[in-house]
Amino acid sequence: AQSVTQPDIHITVSEGASLELRCNYSYGATPYLFWYVQSPGQGLQLLLKYFSGDTLVQGIKGFEAEFKRSQSSFNLRKPSVHWSDAAEYFCAVRLEAGGTSYGKLTFGQGTILTVHP
Amino acid sequence: KAGVTQTPRYLIKTRGQQVTLSCSPISGHRSVSWYQQTPGQGLQFLFEYFSETQRNKGNFPGRFSGRQFSNSRSEMNVSTLELGDSALYLCASSLVVAGGQPIFSFNEQFFGPGTRLTVL
Repeated sequence: AQSVTQPDIHITVSEGASLELRCNYSYGATPYLFWYVQSPGQGLQLLLKYFSGDTLVQGIKGFEAEFKRSQSSFNLRKPSVHWSDAAEYFCAVRLEAGGTSYGKLTFGQGTILTVHP
Repeated sequence: KAGVTQTPRYLIKTRGQQVTLSCSPISGHRSVSWYQQTPGQGLQFLFEYFSETQRNKGNFPGRFSGRQFSNSRSEMNVSTLELGDSALYLCASSLVVAGGQPIFSFNEQFFGPGTRLTVL
């Protein structure tokens, strides 16, 4: 069964510092990969996605992520964090087309980001 | 274009009752998925509907059920509520049809704000 691991439950950074949130997946082939962000009491907003092609993908709000097949990782990065980035971040995977789980996302446990002024 | 809407946003029920949650997908989207979010278990997949048919179901008891209507709106029902059912229930819709054919490869799911269910 596919699984997603986000090793860091909570990360604290200072405003203006760089950020990297880790995500590792376990799956036999290359899944579709996503990063979502959730503010308190809100739903999930898609930051970026990777389906194929260029392994460095750009997303909204200045975020980017790099897919590394050899490490089964899809880490999220941002060069300079803003206070408004404080939220919970979720990595998710979906099986490729041809399976039965077209609409099923498997999520990591999430990483809570705190930003200090 | 309006986003995914979920109603109600908040619900308080007591053990043993049943509850129905509603989700209206983005116009044109044909697939609706439901997720349960709790502090202990995180985000867990409940089920997915496409063209009024359940395509996939997560590992939840039969007390959890759902359906999808011809306009793609979806409802989920939880019967005989238990304290552990307290959670944020999220609905997501995705665009899966192009030229009358389902296109699954490049789906991305758009989430609604969720329904916060509290079981007392």
